[in-house]
Amino acid sequence: EVQLLESGGGLVQPGGSLRLSCAASGFTFSNYAMSWVRQAPGKGLEWVSGISGSGGSTYHVDSVKGRFTISRDNSKNTMYLQMNSLRADDTAVYYCARHDQQWLTHFDYWGQGTLASVSS
Amino acid sequence: DTQMTQSPSSLSASVGDRVTITCRASQSISRYLNWYQQKPGKAPNLLIYAASSLQSGVPSRFSGSGSGTDFTLTIRSLQPEDFATYYCQQSYRAPLTFGGGTKVEIK
Repeated sequence: EVQLLESGGGLVQPGGSLRLSCAASGFTFSNYAMSWVRQAPGKGLEWVSGISGSGGSTYHVDSVKGRFTISRDNSKNTMYLQMNSLRADDTAVYYCARHDQQWLTHFDYWGQGTLASVSS
Repeated sequence: DTQMTQSPSSLSASVGDRVTITCRASQSISRYLNWYQQKPGKAPNLLIYAASSLQSGVPSRFSGSGSGTDFTLTIRSLQPEDFATYYCQQSYRAPLTFGGGTKVEIK
């Protein structure tokens, strides 16, 4: 059974940092591209960052470029999102999502999400 | 960026109704269009991928159609468990983008 479990969310002040993790199980992790998708309170879904199965290619939405870094450790079946210089508008539930193998495909599995709150 | 516009943003319907939600892309995305269902407090769930392919385990009352810039999600006979918010998403080019969502409420 495919499982994705996010962790690392919490309350942080503006300008601060958080590191989110997504622990995967039930499939060959290195064969699948992965992404982070966020949802601000009461709002819609926004894709944030993606990474190829090997980790050699990464992608970010413009609003987080230079502040967020996506990475993965295939030996640990874990993906990460390092979030720096956080702003109030980064407050959201962050979901880890699996692509159907290749990068430009749909998200076939999602984690339960972890809440990152940016506030003074 | 490819903008995705859903309509309507919300609708009220009764159990047994046929419901149609549309999604329009700002430029052609071929058939790289996916539909998700999200219930309150839960993660999204994939319903339809590649415009018209039904994800495993999803009831056959859900169907999708379209190509290029115009797409449709149809729920043939609305069931109580279908009251939720629906999102379209394009996977043709980065950045991956979602529509604003359509909330389906009970009439």
